Order: sequence, then structure tokens, then C-alpha cells
Amino acid sequence: AAGVIQSPRHLIKEKRETATLKCYPIPRHDTVYWYQQGPGQDPQFLISFYEKMQSDKGSIPDRFSAQQFSDYHSELNMSSLELGDSALYFCASSNRAGTDTQYFGPGTRLTVL
Amino acid sequence: GQQVMQIPQYQHVQEGEDFTTYCNSSTTLSNIQWYKQRPGGHPVFLIQLVKSGEVKKQKRLTFQFGEAKKNSSLHITATQTTDVGTYFCAGRWGNQFYFGTGTSLTVIP
Repeated sequence: AAGVIQSPRHLIKEKRETATLKCYPIPRHDTVYWYQQGPGQDPQFLISFYEKMQSDKGSIPDRFSAQQFSDYHSELNMSSLELGDSALYFCASSNRAGTDTQYFGPGTRLTVL
Repeated sequence: GQQVMQIPQYQHVQEGEDFTTYCNSSTTLSNIQWYKQRPGGHPVFLIQLVKSGEVKKQKRLTFQFGEAKKNSSLHITATQTTDVGTYFCAGRWGNQFYFGTGTSLTVIP
């Protein structure tokens, strides 16, 4: 069965650079969530989209923005990167009209040097 | 803001012993989901509880949702080495999910 795809899997950036993370949800899923997970931490909700519209915002910094495109893929744009942005970034998708189970992608490991 | 606490943070058990992790929310939840994350992996959905007092079982795993929908527990009977990982609860408020702090389980063969 198709799973959530995230790219890239690993990303190394310098401070103050920008990064773009991509997420391709499971086909026919209408909701995408973005999470940030620091080492030994629980996933922190950043932002979600439902049917290509922003649904909710969590602890997403103002330096970050995200959008969902017409093909339902989503991108998380991160600017003015800081050392503290180094983390695993997970995307999850769900079918809100169905079971609402979140299926997580493999994550993108971002390292800011 | 919303808070979901889990205890214990770490648990070491001998293979064959039982294990329980508890999840407590500061406010009433719409539903609660449980996830397992292996080291280096991503969270994998285990189950969702919606109704007050709901109990669900998956083989050796038993999940409970409190009557007030503010707490939940996951109990594993006769742990196996394959149970190793971090177990997270995630409470839903509106359209957001707040993950608990997680319980890291180590099973000693």
C-alpha cells in the first residue's frame, strides 16, 4: 500500500539559510499535518491542512510557512534557519472523513550547522 | 496551552513482565490515539479511542480511555523484545493533535 512520502530524507543547512521540505500524502487523504521532533522529544504539532486550506496552527515559528498544493502535496518552507531548528520533521496524512488515523512519513532529518 | 503528560518516562522490564503507560490531559479530549515509535523510526498508529470508558484490545495490548476523557492507559501483557520502542499518546482538540511526552520501553531478554 502507498505510504506518505517525504523528501529529502536528510538535509544539512547552514545558519540563516532556507530549507524546503516536501510531503506527498497517501492518495485520497484530505488532511496533512506537519510535526517537529527534537532528539528525545515528542512530536510537536506545527500546522495542518484540510482540503488544501490551512486548518490549524500549532507551535510553528513565524520564520516557517507551509502550503498544500492542488495535487495535495505539501511543502514546509523554513527561512533564517537557526541551530535549534535541527530536528526530525514528520509529515502525516489522514482521511478526516474516515477513521482520522494519522499515517506518518519517514521524516526529514534537518541538521543546521 | 494544551498539555498531555505521560508516565513513566522510561521503563525497563524483563521479557515476560507486564508494562503500563499512563497518559493524562489537562482538558477533556475529543479522542485519543496511541502510537509506537521504534528508535530511528517514525510514529506508527496503534489505535484510536473515542468513547468515554472505552476499552480496546489488540492481542497483548489493552487500551483504556477514562470516563472523563482526560486520561488513557496502554497495558502490554507478557512483554516481548519486539515491544521495544517509545509509546506516545496523542490527544485531539479540535483539529490539532498534542502528543504526550512518551514512555520509552526497554525489554531485557
